Formats: sequence, C-alpha cells, structure tokens
Amino acid sequence: QSVVTQPPSVSGAPGQRVTISCTVSNSNVGTDSNVHWYQQLPGRAPKLLIYANSNRPSGVPDRFSGSKSGTSASLAITGLQADDEGHYYCQSYDKSGSELFGGGTKLTVL
Amino acid sequence: EVKLVESGGGLVQPGGSLRLSCAASGFTFSHYWMHWVRQAPGKGLVWVARISTDGSDTRYADSVKGRFTISRDNAKNTLYLQMNSLRAEDTALYYCASLAAEDDCWGQGTLVTVSS
Repeated sequence: QSVVTQPPSVSGAPGQRVTISCTVSNSNVGTDSNVHWYQQLPGRAPKLLIYANSNRPSGVPDRFSGSKSGTSASLAITGLQADDEGHYYCQSYDKSGSELFGGGTKLTVL
Repeated sequence: EVKLVESGGGLVQPGGSLRLSCAASGFTFSHYWMHWVRQAPGKGLVWVARISTDGSDTRYADSVKGRFTISRDNAKNTLYLQMNSLRAEDTALYYCASLAAEDDCWGQGTLVTVSS
C-alpha cells in the first residue's frame, strides 16, 4: 500500500527557517512522482504553495521553497511569520496514479 | 475571478444518499480535470475522486469505490458527486478542486454529516 508520510508537527520562532519532510512509499513506482505542497490556514480552504516538487505559483512568496530527491521531498519556509501558522500537506500519487495526500504537518510559530 | 462554489451538503442518515454540486466560474471549466477532496472534522485531507475533461475517465479512492459517482456537465460548468450508501465515516467537509498546478483552485467546501 502506498503511503505519504509527514511529521505531525514542526515549530519555529519568527524569522527562523523550518523544513517539513515528506516521504513517498510506493514500492511499484519509480522515484519520478511529483510532489505538491498545500497550506491550510485555520478555517480556510487549502492553497497550493509548491507544485511539481519545486515550482511556486505566482503570488506565493519566495520564502517558500520545495525540493525532492528520490522518494523524499521537503518544504522549506524562511523568515517565519506568525501568519504562516497552520497545516501543511504534501501530495503525491499512489502506485495506480491516483492522488494521495500526506497526513499533514501542523506548523506552530513560537 | 476564478471561483468554485460547492453546495448540497447536509445531515443524512446512514445508508442514505446525497448529491453534491460544484459551480465553476472565471475559468474554462471544460479544460480541466476536476477532483473531490474531503476532510473529516479535525483531520487531514483525503482525495476522493477525479474526472477527466470530457467525463470519460473517472477514478475513485478505495474507500468510496462503488458508492460514490463523480460526473460533470461542461455546458453548466458544474461538477457533481453522487454519494450513496453513506456511512458515519463519510462525515467530512467536501471540497471540489482542480489540483491543476499553476491553475490550482479550491472551493470553500460543503459539510456532509452522516448520523442517525
């Protein structure tokens, strides 16, 4: 069974840099599945932050960046701000090509 | 303005049915594959189903296969989710979304509560 794994929580002080990891476990799929990252602020719908591993949609600040190596991806947030606090989800694909979300990571700004 | 507006949620008894709708505006709806994603109270995002641009190709999460049907009407710019044999574990906020990279768009969701 395919699984996308994220840490349940991360935290950082304002101005600091934090990273959120995402591991895609797909025994029958190669390492070229894309990973996308979504931000969900409290009470809001999700919003795309990063698509295809490292691309930022227009309007997303360059404080947010993504990377991927093999079956592991990371979201980095620099210059942490209080209104970055919320949940962050990575999304990839299972072995049949269907979309699959990670369990989400709660970011707390200390 | 690109917009997705879901409707049709509500309270339904176990075993019952509901039909969700998602009205799209501000973009060429017929050009995009569309998805339903749900979120149980206090839980994470779960992909539910997707449909191709012309409706000929559909795919479902194992948890809803055989019970839910995704469809679309490109003339009405509307996406649908027919939900049958509903269970308590289907209780969630249901979002429609494009999941379309640079053109990604999500609605605000419609709440489905399955309870007796």
